[in-house]
Amino acid sequence: GDSVTQMEGPVTLSEEAFLTINCTYTATGYPSLFWYVQYPGEGLQLLLKATKADDKGSNKGFEATYRKETTSFHLEKGSVQVSDSAVYFCALYYGGSQGNLIFGKGTKLSVKP
Amino acid sequence: KAGVTQTPRYLIKTRGQQVTLSCSPISGHRSVSWYQQTPGQGLQFLFEYFSETQRNKGNFPGRFSGRQFSNSRSEMNVSTLELGDSALYLCASSPKGLDGDTQYFGPGTRLTVL
Repeated sequence: GDSVTQMEGPVTLSEEAFLTINCTYTATGYPSLFWYVQYPGEGLQLLLKATKADDKGSNKGFEATYRKETTSFHLEKGSVQVSDSAVYFCALYYGGSQGNLIFGKGTKLSVKP
Repeated sequence: KAGVTQTPRYLIKTRGQQVTLSCSPISGHRSVSWYQQTPGQGLQFLFEYFSETQRNKGNFPGRFSGRQFSNSRSEMNVSTLELGDSALYLCASSPKGLDGDTQYFGPGTRLTVL
């Protein structure tokens, strides 16, 4: 079945460091891909998305490119801030008559000043 | 627009009881989906309702059920509670559903089963 695998956390970085959180997926066809973020004490919110191969989603300095050949959607940011500390979830939606939104286990990011 | 609201925010129940959680979507959104979040299993999809009909269902036992009203508000019911049902239950709404629409999540209901 469809699944999402993301790198184990927690990830601890210093402010202004480069961030990569790996995400790979298994799905038949061409799912839409998402990164969601959950800040401490807040609800889940969409960070960025890509709906077809080679699309790049971007928001708040974060980017991810839909790579069909490697079935990946890695999240990157060039210079993280303390305020980026949160849990990040990679997700896919594969539509059809029985659609489902499938999440990875989440990666906790802590950014130290 | 007001965001997705969930009530109650916290609940404590004992094994064997049943519980009903409520979700009010963003005005105009016809799709409401429900998720269970636990440290061990992460985020798992429960089901989606669209225009009062269950459209998709995840892999959860029949003790988990839901419904949606004509105003798009949705309720989720869990019967015969088990310790393992302790979790954060999230709902999300969107205009058209899971087909690539952005899902807007509520703050969740924290259920503790003793």
